[in-house]
Amino acid sequence: DVKVTQSSRYLVKRTGEKVFLECVQDMDHENMFWYRQDPGLGLRLIYFSYDVKMKEKGDIPEGYSVSREKKERFSLILESASTNQTSMYLCASSRGYRGGYNEQFFGPGTRLTVL
Amino acid sequence: AQKITQTQPGMFVQEKEAVTLDCTYDTSDQSYGLFWYKQPSSGEMIFLIYQGSYDEQNATEGRYSLNFQKARKSANLVISASQLGDSAMYFCAMRDGVSYNQGGKLIFGQGTELSVKP
Repeated sequence: DVKVTQSSRYLVKRTGEKVFLECVQDMDHENMFWYRQDPGLGLRLIYFSYDVKMKEKGDIPEGYSVSREKKERFSLILESASTNQTSMYLCASSRGYRGGYNEQFFGPGTRLTVL
Repeated sequence: AQKITQTQPGMFVQEKEAVTLDCTYDTSDQSYGLFWYKQPSSGEMIFLIYQGSYDEQNATEGRYSLNFQKARKSANLVISASQLGDSAMYFCAMRDGVSYNQGGKLIFGQGTELSVKP
């Protein structure tokens, strides 16, 4: 069974802390994505990666960075967490082909609260 | 500009009845794909159905069907014979040529929360 896992389901951090969100997929997918989900806004793309050590900014990259040292692992980093980064974070992966019917598989999400 | 609009924040349906969730999209590309995902309270996004812009027939997957009206730029999800387990948030999403240049990202609508009443 295909799987995308995220390191934490719930996380509480303090303003200014450095936060790491980890995502691992076991499908040998080339593409990996980090989305942020907020009520009334749907999901918005933060960063994506199409290969090891490659990363590209999405629509809302400010305040975030990413790391992909291995194909199966994609990390989202909040260098200095702020209260406006309180949100649900969803990781996804897909095959290398970028168009058409190329389903994205999602992890269970991490609900991050920054106090 | 790329955009997905879901105008129904919340909907109720009686168990065993059919329900339609609305989705309209905006893209200047001729080639694009439309997806529906279900998100239960557990949080995980579950893929339901896909429609390609060149597909002549409406997509169907079990109790799910997609009412694709290209000229109106709408891609409504129809769930037949609703079940209590269908209670969830539903998202419409699109991938087009601009998305292609961003790793094949999906552009999501705001979501519709469906509640199925016994």
